[in-house]
Amino acid sequence: GAGVSQSPSNKVTEKGKDVELRCDPISGHTALYWYRQRLGQGLEFLIYFQGNSAPDKSGLPSDRFSAERTGESVSTLTIQRTQQEDSAVYLCASSQRGGIETQYFGPGTRLLVL
Amino acid sequence: GNSVTQMEGPVTLSEEAFLTINCTYTATGYPSLFWYVQYPGEGLQLLLKATKADDKGSNKGFEATYRKETTSFHLEKGSVQVSDSAVYFCALSGLNQAGTALIFGKGTTLSVSS
Repeated sequence: GAGVSQSPSNKVTEKGKDVELRCDPISGHTALYWYRQRLGQGLEFLIYFQGNSAPDKSGLPSDRFSAERTGESVSTLTIQRTQQEDSAVYLCASSQRGGIETQYFGPGTRLLVL
Repeated sequence: GNSVTQMEGPVTLSEEAFLTINCTYTATGYPSLFWYVQYPGEGLQLLLKATKADDKGSNKGFEATYRKETTSFHLEKGSVQVSDSAVYFCALSGLNQAGTALIFGKGTTLSVSS
């Protein structure tokens, strides 16, 4: 079946603009995660969804970052008033039920803020 | 807090050489441990995992043993191939309130030449 997909694959934006990143998880996966990978760094956890609720938002770096999920389907990560330090690859992952189950990653969205 | 430290790369080997990539962790409780791999141009994928002390994860000729006494999960392969060239990430389950976010090391780039 289809894996996790993300769009756009690349996004270039100007400082101060808002951006919206999309993730389509594997069908039937209730758990969805967003991570960020800045150049030369490991992946940083941003937010976790179980269904359409977000029990863990502890990784969101500022109130400029927000995320939503529609049911057990698509999720969008929104960054308002982008800053240059937001430049990174944003990765989405899903797993069947969460917990220690295997997370399947999408190809990521490479965001560049000029 | 919980963290993962892995050896810095790049690691450059000739085909058929022995590979070790060191990974140590700091965690409260009993995390699960993972190695993820990112091949050039592809998304992150799970390579192997171990969920309790003394467990050995293995896949594609790679192995790693969960060592609680040394808080380590070193990745090994007896004979690497050019196709193993990739970035390898060690990770642990985050033990956060939802118990599901992954905490990653910074990644180790492996380059294998023929």
